[in-house]
Amino acid sequence: RKEVEQDPGPFNVPEGATVAFNCTYSNSASQSFFWYRQDCRKEPKLLMSVYSSGNEDGRFTAQLNRASQYISLLIRDSKLSDSATYLCVVNGADRGSTLGRLYFGRGTQLTVWP
Amino acid sequence: NAGVTQTPKFRVLKTGQSMTLLCAQDMNHEYMYWYRQDPGMGLRLIHYSVGEGTTAKGEVPDGYNVSRLKKQNFLLGLESAAPSQTSVYFCASTQRGTTANTGELFFGEGSRLTVL
Repeated sequence: RKEVEQDPGPFNVPEGATVAFNCTYSNSASQSFFWYRQDCRKEPKLLMSVYSSGNEDGRFTAQLNRASQYISLLIRDSKLSDSATYLCVVNGADRGSTLGRLYFGRGTQLTVWP
Repeated sequence: NAGVTQTPKFRVLKTGQSMTLLCAQDMNHEYMYWYRQDPGMGLRLIHYSVGEGTTAKGEVPDGYNVSRLKKQNFLLGLESAAPSQTSVYFCASTQRGTTANTGELFFGEGSRLTVL
């Protein structure tokens, strides 16, 4: 079983739409969660961290459900510039090590059309 | 600001050839990583380093070696390239380890390697 599972999409939505991405993780000891954004043929960049209480950054809202080991990203009022692949990233709290690795989901592709 | 720089950005190799990818960061980060990204597979950790002179294996270390002789540099070596190593390689660095209080991972622009 993969550490992080994501729906690969693709999601194709019109400008102004609201779209939600989901992600599940397998390690219940994980403590850090992130969404990264990756544009075509570019490097991943941090979009936002995900906190237990949920957090919002402009049009983006991230939620964490520890009981279900589930993370979500909601994008409101989609823009053309939101077109990218969104990577769910989870800390993997390795047994016997203080250095937990970051595990990346395969990514969910989003295309916003005019 | 240079951030994380990878060289070369593109390379074509024949099976059995060797090469080294260089990653350099100017942010004085302690932790450095090498990932590979393949279509439909996401990013997979090859090797990582928690400081100068230390390295450790990641998820897919076979066929690769690394060295961290200087804090700012992390080298990834392919001793005998195979077609299965055709991929996009990303280097990343962060100030702190990826634990509960982790910081952001900063990535290089990637190195596209093709092994014929």
